[in-house]
Amino acid sequence: GAGVSQSPSNKVTEKGKDVELRCDPISGHTALYWYRQSLGQGLEFLIYFQGNSAPDKSGLPSDRFSAERTGGSVSTLTIQRTQQEDSAVYLCASSLALYGYTFGSGTRLTVV
Amino acid sequence: GESVGLHLPTLSVQEGDNSIINCAYSNSASDYFIWYKQESGKGPQFIIDIRSNMDKRQGQRVTVLLNKTVKHLSLQIAATQPGDSAVYFCAENPSGANNLFFGTGTRLTVIP
Repeated sequence: GAGVSQSPSNKVTEKGKDVELRCDPISGHTALYWYRQSLGQGLEFLIYFQGNSAPDKSGLPSDRFSAERTGGSVSTLTIQRTQQEDSAVYLCASSLALYGYTFGSGTRLTVV
Repeated sequence: GESVGLHLPTLSVQEGDNSIINCAYSNSASDYFIWYKQESGKGPQFIIDIRSNMDKRQGQRVTVLLNKTVKHLSLQIAATQPGDSAVYFCAENPSGANNLFFGTGTRLTVIP
């Protein structure tokens, strides 16, 4: 596609439920990033995928968070047993290299 | 940990005036810096970047200045327009890191 596509754009879930957030990167982009943006805050790095290399998971805040990238393209971020502090906008970005991120519009997650 | 901060959380300027948004960073190993613009409901959009071997870089109506001595970055917007109203983030990449570290952002409001 022309840009990075994320779905859903909004998600409201009950505390304790699992959620899956999807990211479709720009075709051909080998690098894919997930960031989290809490209200009024900057972006917090979560995880990085580059080609077929093992992902850099150093930013995942707890073992409730996981992500995968299938076929070097689409990525899914899964949050298990959601907590209220997980409420945030989850942003995905893709690039050919570190330089030149293109961000999607994000998924706004609200845990009630 | 990484720390990228901004001096002012909000900035209001008159249409047509120049805007200056400042950013302090803490990691002297950072060698790449980017400014992003984020409009409401959208992902961050690349504005301009600069590498540590430069102290100034100009784009269309924007200039980024880097002072490595005091670890300070600034974004200058010439002839600010209503469409420039947004939150502006600086981001740094420490050498060898896979990801960017973002500041908390400055909200720029342009008064018509």
